[in-house]
Amino acid sequence: AQSVAQPEDQVNVAEGNPLTVKCTYSVSGNPYLFWYVQYPNRGLQFLLKYITGDNLVKGSYGFEAEFNKSQTSFHLKKPSALVSDSALYFCAVRAPGTYKYIFGTGTRLKVLA
Amino acid sequence: DVKVTQSSRYLVKRTGEKVFLECVQDMDHENMFWYRQDPGLGLRLIYFSYDVKMKEKGDIPEGYSVSREKKERFSLILESASTNQTSMYLCASSFRAPGLAQYFGPGTRLLVL
Repeated sequence: AQSVAQPEDQVNVAEGNPLTVKCTYSVSGNPYLFWYVQYPNRGLQFLLKYITGDNLVKGSYGFEAEFNKSQTSFHLKKPSALVSDSALYFCAVRAPGTYKYIFGTGTRLKVLA
Repeated sequence: DVKVTQSSRYLVKRTGEKVFLECVQDMDHENMFWYRQDPGLGLRLIYFSYDVKMKEKGDIPEGYSVSREKKERFSLILESASTNQTSMYLCASSFRAPGLAQYFGPGTRLLVL
């Protein structure tokens, strides 16, 4: 069965420090991987995706993510966190040949001033 | 800019009422999706549609139905609302090509009393 895991419900980081939000997946074939961010009372906004090619992908607002096939992971990173990065982050995967996107349970990021 | 709009931001309904949630997208996307979002459970797919009049059940279709009579519009229907359908409902759309991201509406927060 296809699945996505975000092992941390919440991540706290001090402003200016690097941040990592973890995601692992289980899917048949080569996956399409996505990160979304949700601010309070809003829908999800697309941040970045991995389809193929370079394992390090860059996205919006200074975020990047590293695809690791052997560890089936797609962790979200940012070199220097901002208070405004505080939000709920979702990892998602779409398996080849399907229409469905499978989402993780979300990780709340709190950046402390 | 892609725009996905949902008919209401907040709704309060009574148990047993029939509830209609509407979603409209303006980017000519083939695929449209309805999710519900609950704390600790992430996003769960209710139904999706890959073309006009076509629909597929997602992971939690019980108690819901959908309608897609026009490409830009996807409606979610709660045939007889129950308290356990109190949730945030998110609509999304995407092009058919698998490597492309979904775009989300702002969500409808539904309270069933």
